[in-house]
Amino acid sequence: QQQVKQSPQSLIVQKGGIPIINCAYENTAFDYFPWYQQFPGKGPALLIAIRPDVSEKKEGRFTISFNKSAKQFSLHIMDSQPGDSATYFCAASLLQGAQKLVFGQGTRLTINP
Amino acid sequence: KAGVTQTPRYLIKTRGQQVTLSCSPISGHRSVSWYQQTPGQGLQFLFEYFSETQRNKGNFPGRFSGRQFSNSRSEMNVSTLELGDSALYLCASSRTGVGYTFGSGTRLTVV
Repeated sequence: QQQVKQSPQSLIVQKGGIPIINCAYENTAFDYFPWYQQFPGKGPALLIAIRPDVSEKKEGRFTISFNKSAKQFSLHIMDSQPGDSATYFCAASLLQGAQKLVFGQGTRLTINP
Repeated sequence: KAGVTQTPRYLIKTRGQQVTLSCSPISGHRSVSWYQQTPGQGLQFLFEYFSETQRNKGNFPGRFSGRQFSNSRSEMNVSTLELGDSALYLCASSRTGVGYTFGSGTRLTVV
């Protein structure tokens, strides 16, 4: 019940396209859903996060869509650039108390020029 | 402002040895978490400390331990190293326990 399933495992998109990465969770107690971006040799960096009382959140070119009834959320990257090529992780946790992030398996995104 | 600092960046150890990894959180951050990252298992939670108290622990054997000091700096220790412990160990800090900032990690190789 602690799993977060992420798809696809890898994704190749042309510059300017809109890659979409999907995640599904099982534990309905989760109330905090962040996305992280990781470049080779670096730790994950927090991109954007959403709480289940909101259906969509935008920060710059990054948008999270959240479907509470389906227990799914997704990341969209508008006007994607080669510099967006990285591994993306979704995660879920409880907002209160000792926060333990449960991560998806990651999506390796490649944006071709 | 300085980020999360992990030392050393790279480490090679022999099976059976023990290792201590260090993490200096962002100034003012009292919550420190540790994660193990491997190609097969992905990112897995090890433990979380807040004000020197372990608040949560992941499903790792007792060979994995940690602690946090009064200045919020944290260490994790792995005893009796196994080949399967080879991984990138990531430390993350947060002021409140939400919105963690990760360090660049310590790459541990067990031979």
